[in-house]
Amino acid sequence: DTGVSQDPRHKITKRGQNVTFRCDPISEHNRLYWYRQTLGQGPEFLTYFQNEAQLEKSRLLSDRFSAERPKGSFSTLEIQRTEQGDSAMYLCASSLAAGNEQFFGPGTRLTVL
Amino acid sequence: QKEVEQNSGPLSVPEGAIASLNCTYSDRVSQSFFWYRQYSGKSPELIMSIYSNGDKEDGRFTAQLNKASQYVSLLIRDSQPSDSATYLCAVNERRASKIIFGSGTRLSIRP
Repeated sequence: DTGVSQDPRHKITKRGQNVTFRCDPISEHNRLYWYRQTLGQGPEFLTYFQNEAQLEKSRLLSDRFSAERPKGSFSTLEIQRTEQGDSAMYLCASSLAAGNEQFFGPGTRLTVL
Repeated sequence: QKEVEQNSGPLSVPEGAIASLNCTYSDRVSQSFFWYRQYSGKSPELIMSIYSNGDKEDGRFTAQLNKASQYVSLLIRDSQPSDSATYLCAVNERRASKIIFGSGTRLSIRP
């Protein structure tokens, strides 16, 4: 257990529905990251926050994806109008600073039917 | 060219032998390098980080970094069946926040 928690661990939804995932980082870490991982691939960066500020977003993050970290603690990732191609493991990680080690939560596995 | 390249494997190593995992990266300004272990269906687990040229040892694991050759490797001594997993190489540019991952090498330790 790294101290990063994610909820839910599994989510099955129908195409077109909206889903929201939550991540709670290690408490003293001010940087929080979201990644997406599909079978046979390494995690792909989606976005990251320093405290409450979202500082970078990947081109992978379409307009249907939005992330927030309103009080600089937990973060949410919302996917609107889900598509089958959104099926993946969504991973959250946190670190103390840029370049430092990132610790991952257990992930949320999304299945879009 | 991928930013971080790894042989996908599977790499099969007999129990008790040394497993050698390799990774190359394309960006010369990369400053931080990490090895993660990922069991099937689980999230990545950090096992080694290395920031300067040379070797860094932690128990049965040794990370090796050669920035001139843009090459980082992981050695696992006395391989155990529990080491069977996918090993992800990850690279972080100086002052950048995101980590770029390779696709991973699947390692299988045979009894």
